Amino acid sequence: AQRVTQPEKLLSVFKGAPVELKCNYSYSGSPELFWYVQYSRQRLQLLLRHISRESIKGFTADLNKGETSFHLKKPFAQEEDSAMYYCALSGNSGYSTLTFGKGTMLLVSP
Amino acid sequence: DAGVTQSPTHLIKTRGQQVTLRCSPKSGHDTVSWYQQALGQGPQFIFQYYEEEERQRGNFPDRFSGHQFPNYSSELNVNALLLGDSALYLCASSPRGFYGYTFGSGTRLTVV
Repeated sequence: AQRVTQPEKLLSVFKGAPVELKCNYSYSGSPELFWYVQYSRQRLQLLLRHISRESIKGFTADLNKGETSFHLKKPFAQEEDSAMYYCALSGNSGYSTLTFGKGTMLLVSP
Repeated sequence: DAGVTQSPTHLIKTRGQQVTLRCSPKSGHDTVSWYQQALGQGPQFIFQYYEEEERQRGNFPDRFSGHQFPNYSSELNVNALLLGDSALYLCASSPRGFYGYTFGSGTRLTVV
């Protein structure tokens, strides 16, 4: 069975501090990994996907197949980063569906 | 482009009633998926439609059914509502064979 685990419900940091949101997964095969973000009163939106290897809003995530992890990192948090973050995986078919973790709320204080 | 639009935005129903939620996909998208997001949880996959047929289904009872129309819009129907069906229902669309989903704002269903 495929599963995504986000161990932290809430992560609170100060502005300028580094951020790491943890995500571990279980999947038999080679999954696609994603991070979705939901800002207050906005819809869920794709932040980044591992296959594109890009940095969005200063966030990066590296897929570690040995540790089955896909942690989201940012070296210097900003107040506007405060949001709910969801890690998700899908199979490597274009018709695969998403399995989400329970999410981590990131609060960045001034 | 309005993106994915869902209606209604909020809904209150009584236990045992039936409900229909609607979704219009983003222009150019032909695949529609529905997710249920209970309070404090991540979205859970209900089912996926393309070519007007249910192609994949998550672990939801038969009380949950759907439909996709020729214009790719979709409906989610829930019969015999239970209190536990109270949740945010999200619709997501994508072009066929593409991984990226665009989500709607959701319909907040409250069952009393």
